[in-house]
Formats: sequence, C-alpha cells, structure tokens
Amino acid sequence: GDSVTQMEGPVTLSEEAFLTINCTYTATGYPSLFWYVQYPGEGLQLLLKATKADDKGSNKGFEATYRKETTSFHLEKGSVQVSDSAVYFCALSDSGGGADGLTFGKGTHLIIQP
Amino acid sequence: GAVVSQHPSRVICKSGTSVKIECRSLDFQATTMFWYRQFPKQSLMLMATSNEGSKATYEQGVEKDKFLINHASLTLSTLTVTSAHPEDSSFYICSAILAAGYNEQFFGPGTRLTVL
Repeated sequence: GDSVTQMEGPVTLSEEAFLTINCTYTATGYPSLFWYVQYPGEGLQLLLKATKADDKGSNKGFEATYRKETTSFHLEKGSVQVSDSAVYFCALSDSGGGADGLTFGKGTHLIIQP
Repeated sequence: GAVVSQHPSRVICKSGTSVKIECRSLDFQATTMFWYRQFPKQSLMLMATSNEGSKATYEQGVEKDKFLINHASLTLSTLTVTSAHPEDSSFYICSAILAAGYNEQFFGPGTRLTVL
C-alpha cells in the first residue's frame, strides 16, 4: 500500500535559518503530493501541493519539488521565522487529493527560536 | 472561507459508553467528508469516507459497527464511537471537500477522546 516517510522531529532552528524537511513516498501509479501545516490549536491547512513529476509547489516562502526518480517531496524554506513554528505533514493521494482520503507521514514538529 | 469545525474539542467518557463527535462545514456545503484517527506521534490514519445521503465507506480494519458515521446533511457528519474502550482513546480529525473533483480537503481542529 501507499506510505509516506518524513523526518522525525522536533526540528529546532534559529530564526532566518534554512529549512529542509525530508519526505519520501511509496505509491502505485502517479500520486499527487501535499504538505500540510498545523499551527497550535488549529486544524491542518494545505501549505502547497504538486500533482505531477517535476512540478514545484510553493507558498509563503516554502517550496517542494515532486521528484519521481527519488520518490521525494522535500519541503524547503530559505529563511524561517518564529511564526513558522508548527507541525508539518507530508501526504499523498492517488486521486488528486479530493475524492479519496490522504495518506500522511507522521508529522515533523518545527520549532523556530528567535 | 472553507472552515470546518468539530465538537466537542475534548471528551472524557467511561468505558462502555458511546460518544458522538460532530463535524460541520461552516461556510460551504460538503459533498464528501473524511474521518481520520491520529495516535500520539503517529500519522493520521484514514478511517472512512462519508458521502451525504449514503453509507460511509470504511477503510480495511476499521469496524463499521464500532465507529458509526452519519452524513445526514451537506454540512454535518457525525462519528459515534459505540461501547468505547480505553484503546479507542485517540485524536479524531475530520475533513471536507467543497465538491466532487475539487482537490483540496479542509480539516477540522480535531477531537481528543479519552476513555477511562
């Protein structure tokens, strides 16, 4: 079956540091890939997505590129802020993320220190 | 827009009782809602897919008689944990999509269930 593996946290960085959160996946076919973010006390929010190989999703300074050859979708940001502190989930869907449920990684808790 | 709420946010119950969790789409009509379960330090696991007016589709290994799902309207889905036991203690999260073919799920804030 499908699976998503992401680096375990917590990940602690200083403000303005470069961020990478690794995510790799196993799936049949050509899934769509997502990053969700969960701020304290709130529900998951879609951060970015990519639906086919070599697509780059981007939002709020975050980027991730769909790499079919390495089955990866690593999340990056050039300069993190304290407000980026949250839990980040990598996820995939075989159907584009709408009609079917998502397969999630375990989540990575990111802590940004001023 | 596209806000999903859950009620209650936390619930504690005794073993053997039933607990109902509500999931509401506040500013849109949701043709499909999903229920997930999250164990501590684990990923969200899809439990079932709920379509308005029809029976829910359960994932393999999820007991449909244990976790009753009702999607009676386009803005409300309920999950009832029947005869709850301590092993049912978990974080339950719902999500909803705007319409068929729309590829973004909007998530509720989750409900923490503790069974004593």
